[in-house]
Amino acid sequence: TQLLEQSPQFLSIQEGENLTVYCNSSSVFSSLQWYRQEPGEGPVLLVTVVTGGEVKKLKRLTFQFGDARKDSSLHITAAQTGDTGLYLCAGGVRELYNDMRFGAGTRLTVKP
Amino acid sequence: SQTIHQWPATLVQPVGSPLSLECTVEGTSNPNLYWYRQAAGRGLQLLFYSIGIDQISSEVPQNLSASRPQDRQFILSSKKLLLSDSGFYLCAWSAFSYGYTFGSGTRLTVV
Repeated sequence: TQLLEQSPQFLSIQEGENLTVYCNSSSVFSSLQWYRQEPGEGPVLLVTVVTGGEVKKLKRLTFQFGDARKDSSLHITAAQTGDTGLYLCAGGVRELYNDMRFGAGTRLTVKP
Repeated sequence: SQTIHQWPATLVQPVGSPLSLECTVEGTSNPNLYWYRQAAGRGLQLLFYSIGIDQISSEVPQNLSASRPQDRQFILSSKKLLLSDSGFYLCAWSAFSYGYTFGSGTRLTVV
């Protein structure tokens, strides 16, 4: 059983559309991170959120951390083909060790 | 700036052979170091983490071991590989900054 459940597992949209992907858990996290991964490469950190209710924006990407620090969402406005990739969320439980637990990811395909 | 090097990029090994994957970090000291394995559809599974030299914690009982002989070097090993050890192995570091920096990964195929 995954500690973090990501949905949807797969998402295929046209360029210019908006989308939201979700990361849910029954556990409380000290911090939550979002990564994007290209095939054959390591994940690249997009954002870290640490405060319940926090909203962070990175250009067309908006990240929200749930008030109870158990869930998060990533919203992409006007998706571009360059947004294609695997989006992973990761939750931290123990700050000292920073040993993050990852969800299975949402594989996003943006078609031209 | 900090960089992380992981090698080799791809590896094909027969069942029963040994394994050694190496990861080194530059530009930082006393980093937390991690080994993850990624299987299709299951995200990243934490295998080992280390908060200092010779301080290794294992998350999953398995055919693998890890060592940290130097502050910025992390090694993943096996004495005898199994078919189930195939996967994409990722090394990462963090320095209490709430963010991981990953290496480019090693695709291991056990045949």
